[in-house]
Amino acid sequence: KQEVTQIPAALSVPEGENLVLNCSFTDSAIYNLQWFRQDPGKGLTSLLLIQSSQREQTSGRLNASLDKSSGRSTLYIAASQPGDSATYLCAVVIYNFNKFYFGSGTKLNVKP
Amino acid sequence: NAGVTQTPKFQVLKTGQSMTLQCAQDMNHEYMSWYRQDPGMGLRLIHYSVGAGITDQGEVPNGYNVSRSTTEDFPLRLLSAAPSQTSVYFCASRVRGGNYGYTFGSGTRLTVV
Repeated sequence: KQEVTQIPAALSVPEGENLVLNCSFTDSAIYNLQWFRQDPGKGLTSLLLIQSSQREQTSGRLNASLDKSSGRSTLYIAASQPGDSATYLCAVVIYNFNKFYFGSGTKLNVKP
Repeated sequence: NAGVTQTPKFQVLKTGQSMTLQCAQDMNHEYMSWYRQDPGMGLRLIHYSVGAGITDQGEVPNGYNVSRSTTEDFPLRLLSAAPSQTSVYFCASRVRGGNYGYTFGSGTRLTVV
């Protein structure tokens, strides 16, 4: 069974700092990996999708990388802002079954 | 284009009652899934469907039924609600094949007393 782990569980940083969120998975036979943002009491908003054949994806201040061989992905947030405060979730889709496995998330607090 | 629409947004049930959580998407997505989100447990897959008439179980299917009679709709049924089913439920969808991500609904917060 695919296990997805996110470290740290919570992170508090001052505004303007660059930061890295980590996601690891146990089975490298993934179809793709997706990073989401979840605000309190809200649904999930897709941030970035990385195909299994890709190494990274970028959107604005966000950059996500994928290393299938080591079972790791990172989400890099540049010049963090208080509006970035949310829980960030990574999820992997495994081959053939199109099942989506989630990590427990990293709760980010960016202090003004 | 409304995306993935879930109703109701909030619901309180008594133990033993039944109800159906509705999920509809207008993007012609073949794949649809139901997840529950619990504190400390992350999101867990309940049931999923790869097309009309085709459903399968996820990680935590017990106590839930699904059917998929149309591409657009994927309702989740609780036949006899239990306090352990208190959770936030999310529906998600995506296109078949290719390398596309999932789109999520805004969730249904269910409390079973």
